[in-house]
Amino acid sequence: EVQLLESGGGLVQPGGSLRLSCAASGFTFSNYAMSWVRQAPGKGLEWVSTISGNGITTFYADSLEGRFTISRDNSKNTLYLQMNSLRAEDTALYYCAKDKFLEWLLFFDYWGQGSLVTVSS
Amino acid sequence: EIVMTQSPATLSVSPGERATLSCRASQSVSFNLAWYQQKPGQAPRLLIYRASTRDTGVPARFSGSGSGTEFTLTISGLQSEDFAVYYCQQYNKWPPPTFGQGTKLEIK
Repeated sequence: EVQLLESGGGLVQPGGSLRLSCAASGFTFSNYAMSWVRQAPGKGLEWVSTISGNGITTFYADSLEGRFTISRDNSKNTLYLQMNSLRAEDTALYYCAKDKFLEWLLFFDYWGQGSLVTVSS
Repeated sequence: EIVMTQSPATLSVSPGERATLSCRASQSVSFNLAWYQQKPGQAPRLLIYRASTRDTGVPARFSGSGSGTEFTLTISGLQSEDFAVYYCQQYNKWPPPTFGQGTKLEIK
């Protein structure tokens, strides 16, 4: 059974940093691109970032302006999102999500339960 | 960036009836369109990909159609568990893959 379990969220002041983790199990983690998708309170879904299965290639939403870094440790089956210079508008539930197919198409068949990030003073 | 527009924002339908949800892309996405269902407090669930292919375990009452810029999700014989928010997402041209703003399907 595929499982994605996020952790690392919390309350942080504007300008602060946070690192999210997503522990994966139930599939060959290194074979699949992984992504972060966020959802602000009461709002829709917004793609944040994607990393290839081997960790070499990454993509980011323009709105992040270089403040976030996605990475993965395939030996630990874990995905990460390092978030720096956080702003109030980054407040959201952050989901990690798995690509459905080996050839990364960027639609998602499994999602974690989400990790809440709140940026506030 | 491809903009996805869903309509209506809210749809009120009685149990047992049919619901038709629409999604429009600002440019052609071919057949590269997915639909997700999200219930309160839950993560999104993939329902449909490649515009019309049901994901594993998705009931046959869910069907998708369309290509290019116009897509439809139809839910026939609505059941109580189907009342949720539905999102479309294009994955034809990325980054970024983009989502619609969602349609809330509520009980009439």
